[in-house]
Amino acid sequence: AQKVTQAQTEISVVEKEDVTLDCVYETRDTTYYLFWYKQPPSGELVFLIRRNSFDEQNEISGRYSWNFQKSTSSFNFTITASQVVDSAVYFCALSEAGGANQAGTALIFGKGTTLSVSS
Amino acid sequence: DSGVTQTPKHLITATGQRVTLRCSPRSGDLSVYWYQQSLDQGLQFLIQYYNGEERAKGNILERFSAQQFPDLHSELNLSSLELGDSALYFCASSLDGTGKKTQYFGPGTRLLVL
Repeated sequence: AQKVTQAQTEISVVEKEDVTLDCVYETRDTTYYLFWYKQPPSGELVFLIRRNSFDEQNEISGRYSWNFQKSTSSFNFTITASQVVDSAVYFCALSEAGGANQAGTALIFGKGTTLSVSS
Repeated sequence: DSGVTQTPKHLITATGQRVTLRCSPRSGDLSVYWYQQSLDQGLQFLIQYYNGEERAKGNILERFSAQQFPDLHSELNLSSLELGDSALYFCASSLDGTGKKTQYFGPGTRLLVL
C-alpha cells in the first residue's frame, strides 16, 4: 500500500537558519511521482515541485532544494536561509502512474510539517 | 494563482442540509480531483473525474456525490450533512489524469456544519 510519512509535526526556526523537512514514502510501483506542496496560513495548496521515480537528480530552486534518494525512499526538502514568509504547512505527496484508464493517480499526502519561522 | 477556481469560499449550514461545491479546472485540464482536509484525517482523496467520466473513488461517503459536466467543471454534492463533515474541500485539476501530471489546487471551500 502507498504511504507517506512526515515524522516532523512542527519545526520552529529563527530567520536565516537552514531547515530540512523529511519525507519517507512507501509504494510497490516502480513508476511513481513525488510532490511537495505548501499551505500558507491563507489555506491554499501551492505546488512546489514534482519528481518522478526515474529521476534521482537533486534540484535547487533559489533557496529551496530537494534531495530524492530511492535507496532510502526519501524525498527531503531543504529551505536555506529561511524567512518569515516560509512559515506554512508543507506536505509531501505521492502518486502512481495509474492504470490504462488512468485510475489510481490520486495524491497520497503525508500529515504535513508545520514550519514556523520567527524574526 | 493556480488557475483552478472554487465557489463558494465559505459555507455555513446546518446538520441534515445539502450543499453543492463547484470547481472549474485550469484551461485545458481534463481531470478533476476532489479532496477533503480535516484536522483528524488530514488531506484525503474523495473522487476523480476525467473528461466527464468517473475514474477513481477514494474515501467518499455514500452521502456525497460528484459529477463533471461537458464544459469540464465539476460539482461535489454533500447531503444529510453531519458535524463531522466540517472541513476544507479542495478541487484539483491536471492535464490528463495520469500521475505524472501535476495536480493544481483551487483555493478550497471551507464548510462549517452547525
